[in-house]
Amino acid sequence: DGGITQSPKYLFRKEGQNVTLSCEQNLNHDAMYWYRQDPGQGLRLIYYSQIVNDFQKGDIAEGYSVSREKKESFPLTVTSAQKNPTAFYLCASTPSDDGGSPLHFGNGTRLTVT
Amino acid sequence: QKEVEQNSGPLSVPEGAIASLNCTYSDRGSQSFFWYRQYSGKSPELIMFIYSNGDKEDGRFTAQLNKASQYVSLLIRDSQPSDSATYLCAVNILSNTGNQFYFGTGTSLTVIP
Repeated sequence: DGGITQSPKYLFRKEGQNVTLSCEQNLNHDAMYWYRQDPGQGLRLIYYSQIVNDFQKGDIAEGYSVSREKKESFPLTVTSAQKNPTAFYLCASTPSDDGGSPLHFGNGTRLTVT
Repeated sequence: QKEVEQNSGPLSVPEGAIASLNCTYSDRGSQSFFWYRQYSGKSPELIMFIYSNGDKEDGRFTAQLNKASQYVSLLIRDSQPSDSATYLCAVNILSNTGNQFYFGTGTSLTVIP
């Protein structure tokens, strides 16, 4: 079955540690996205990538980094510079077309930093 | 900043009633409009999408778009308890850096049996 796989589902880290969240898709989509969701809030865009080896900052990129070395993979690193990293992180993808296709989401990673 | 506004609710309707969810957006360059349903602790799932002015129906769901008023809505007919969730409105803007999707904060819907 085609889809987006995020791992792990739950992640616990100590403050000051970097952590990498995995996102893999087998939908052959060109564009991939990372969003953050805080309790009772909507989704805020962290980074997005339209093609391999290229990515753009979203509205809240500070304290995060990404790479896009393969079409299928778009890992997100939450660095120690991120002030409030505890959140629900969602990876999504869409065909890179004229904007008519919806986002498909993975199941999310819930990160808790103490 | 691209703004997408939704009433946060909570919105409560009795089972079998019509639930009406509303969304406004600020960027007139918005091209496509999406409604997602999100259950607590889960990721969003697509309910409807609409590109053109007017109504689009899919089963119990109807999306309505008015680009002149920058307004999109979702009607849920014959509401069921399983429809209880948060509904997210999203808009798509195509720029020179690619497709960007912006989300509202969501409307919480409770369907009372």
